[in-house]
Amino acid sequence: QQQVKQSPQSLIVQKGGISIINCAYENTAFDYFPWYQQFPGKGPALLIAIRPDVSEKKEGRFTISFNKSAKQFSLHIMDSQPGDSATYFCAASPQSNRKLIWGLGTSLAVNP
Amino acid sequence: DAGVTQSPTHLIKTRGQQVTLRCSPKSGHDTVSWYQQALGQGPQFIFQYYEEEERQRGNFPDRFSGHQFPNYSSELNVNALLLGDSALYLCASQAWGGTNEQFFGPGTRLTVL
Repeated sequence: QQQVKQSPQSLIVQKGGISIINCAYENTAFDYFPWYQQFPGKGPALLIAIRPDVSEKKEGRFTISFNKSAKQFSLHIMDSQPGDSATYFCAASPQSNRKLIWGLGTSLAVNP
Repeated sequence: DAGVTQSPTHLIKTRGQQVTLRCSPKSGHDTVSWYQQALGQGPQFIFQYYEEEERQRGNFPDRFSGHQFPNYSSELNVNALLLGDSALYLCASQAWGGTNEQFFGPGTRLTVL
């Protein structure tokens, strides 16, 4: 049973466009929602994270939107660049055990 | 400020052998978690160590064991290797009393032949 469902599996965006990746979760005990970026052969790098007490968080070109009632959160990458081409993972965890539960990942390709 | 470091980078073993992977956490972090990432998949939580004790464990068999040292570094041991153990093994560190931000190392690529 996939506790964190991520979509789409892959995404192609033109340079300068907006990339949108969505995640949905079931466990209402989750209270921490990070997004990670991973390049081939490298470990995941923390991009941005949000807690359910806010509906949106922005850091540079990256924005998380959070909908607590729908149990959904999404990553928006504005002005997408070829260097953003990577695999993006959403994750979730409850503060009680600090165990991250991951989505299956989205492979993003930004065409020049 | 060094981030999370892992060694070795790559490792090739044969079925039935045993392997030890090592991790040094980011400066200021005292908690280490280990993840297994199969090709094309998201990381799967193996276990977490804090104060030299296993605090959380994922759905992995007893062949997977670990240790944390007084300097917070950690080892992951896998016994009786199977072909299916081939994966990228990731170490993540965090501060136990802080936020849940986990920082990952570059991983160890294990290939079992």
